[in-house]
Amino acid sequence: AQKITQTQPGMFVQEKEAVTLDCTYDTSDQSYGLFWYKQPSSGEMIFLIYQGSYDEQNATEGRYSLNFQKARKSANLVISASQLGDSAMYFCAMRGPNTGGFKTIFGAGTRLFVKA
Amino acid sequence: GAGVSQTPSNKVTEKGKYVELRCDPISGHTALYWYRQSLGQGPEFLIYFQGTGAADDSGLPNDRFFAVRPEGSVSTLKIQRTERGDSAVYLCASSLGTGKTDTQYFGPGTRLTVL
Repeated sequence: AQKITQTQPGMFVQEKEAVTLDCTYDTSDQSYGLFWYKQPSSGEMIFLIYQGSYDEQNATEGRYSLNFQKARKSANLVISASQLGDSAMYFCAMRGPNTGGFKTIFGAGTRLFVKA
Repeated sequence: GAGVSQTPSNKVTEKGKYVELRCDPISGHTALYWYRQSLGQGPEFLIYFQGTGAADDSGLPNDRFFAVRPEGSVSTLKIQRTERGDSAVYLCASSLGTGKTDTQYFGPGTRLTVL
C-alpha cells in the first residue's frame, strides 16, 4: 500500500537557521512523484517543491531543497535561512501509478515553529 | 481571480441536511480534485475529474457523497444526510492535467460543521 510517514509532529527552529523536515514513503511503483506543500494558518495549501523518482539531482526552489534518498525511500525537505513567515504546517505527498496516477496521498504533516 | 476559489468559506448545517460545496478552478485546468482534511491530519483524497468525467472516485466514503463537473469547469461536491463525522475542511485543487509532474493548486477550502 502507498503510504507517507512524517514522524515529526512539531519542530522548532531559530530564525535564519536551516531546518530539515522528515518524510519517508512506501511504494512499489518505480515511477512516482514527491511533493511538499505548506499550509499556513489561513488554510490554503501552497506548493513548494517537486521531485520525480527518476530525477538524478535533488530538486531546489529558492530556499527549499529536497534531500531525495531513493534507496532509503526518504524525501526530506530542507528550508534554509528560516523566516518567521515559514511557521506553518508542512505536508509531504506522493503520486504514482498505484495511487491511481493523478491521485495524491499526503502525510500527517509537521508543524514548524520559527522563533525570533 | 487567478486562483482556485471555493464557496462558501464556512458552512454550518444540522445533522441530516443536504449541503453543496462549490469549486471554481483555475481557467484552463482540465483536472480537478476534491480532498477532505480533518483536524490535525493531511488531506484525504475524495475524487478526481479529468474534464467532465470523474476519472477516480475511489476516495468518496459512501454513497451520501457525490460530485459533478457538468461543463468541465466548476465542480460541486454534494453531501446528503450529513452526519457529525462529515465535519472537516473540504479542499479543492486544480491542475493542467498533463501528467505525474502536474502541480495541483489548492483553493482556500470550505469548513463544514455539522451540528
